Amino acid sequence: AQRVTQPEKLLSVFKGAPVELKCNYSYSGSPELFWYVQYSRQRLQLLLRHISRESIKGFTADLNKGETSFHLKKPFAQEEDSAMYYCALLTGANNLFFGTGTRLTVIP
Amino acid sequence: DAGVIQSPRHEVTEMGQEVTLRCKPISGHNSLFWYRQTMMRGLELLIYFNNNVPIDDSGMPEDRFSAKMPNASFSTLKIQPSEPRDSAVYFCASSLDRIHYEQYFGPGTRLTVT
Repeated sequence: AQRVTQPEKLLSVFKGAPVELKCNYSYSGSPELFWYVQYSRQRLQLLLRHISRESIKGFTADLNKGETSFHLKKPFAQEEDSAMYYCALLTGANNLFFGTGTRLTVIP
Repeated sequence: DAGVIQSPRHEVTEMGQEVTLRCKPISGHNSLFWYRQTMMRGLELLIYFNNNVPIDDSGMPEDRFSAKMPNASFSTLKIQPSEPRDSAVYFCASSLDRIHYEQYFGPGTRLTVT
C-alpha cells in the first residue's frame, strides 16, 4: 500500500530564510511525485512534478529514492509563499494519493 | 473556461438530513474525482470516474455516501443521512484522461453538519 507522509502540519519561517517542506513516501512501484499548493482563497493547483525537474516560483524538489523523500525547498522564502502544500504520489491505478499537507506561514 | 464548478460553496445542515453536492468538470476532461479535506486526515480521495463510469470508490467512507455521474458534465455526491463527522470541505477535480496527475480542482464545498 502507498503512503505519503508530511510530518509537519504547520511550518513558520521568516521572510528571506530558507524553507524546506518535508515529504516521505512508501510505494512498491516506481514513484512519480508532485507538489500541489493552495494559496488563500485560491484553488488547489499543481506546483511541480519531479519528472520535469523544473523550478517553479523558486521552489525545487528532488526525488531521493534512497531516502524515499521528495522535499520541497526554496532558498529565500517570500510572504506570497504562505499557503497549504500537499505532496502527492501517483499510484499504479493512475490516481493521486495526497499527504496530509503542511501549512506554511512566511513571517514578514 | 470557468474551471471546475462546484455548488453550493457552503452548506449547513442538521444531522440526519440529506446533503447533495454538485460538480461540473472542465469541458473535455474525462476523469472526475471527489475528495474530502479535513484537518486531521488532509485530502482523501473518495471516488473517481472515468468516462462517467465509477472506477474506484474504495475511499467512500460508508454506505451513507453515494456518487453519480449521469453525463460528462455533471456529478453529484450525496450523503444520506448526514452526521456531524461528515463536516469537511469537499473538493471536486477533473483531469484529461490518462493525465491524472494534473488535476484541476474546484473551489470546494464547505459542509457543516450540526
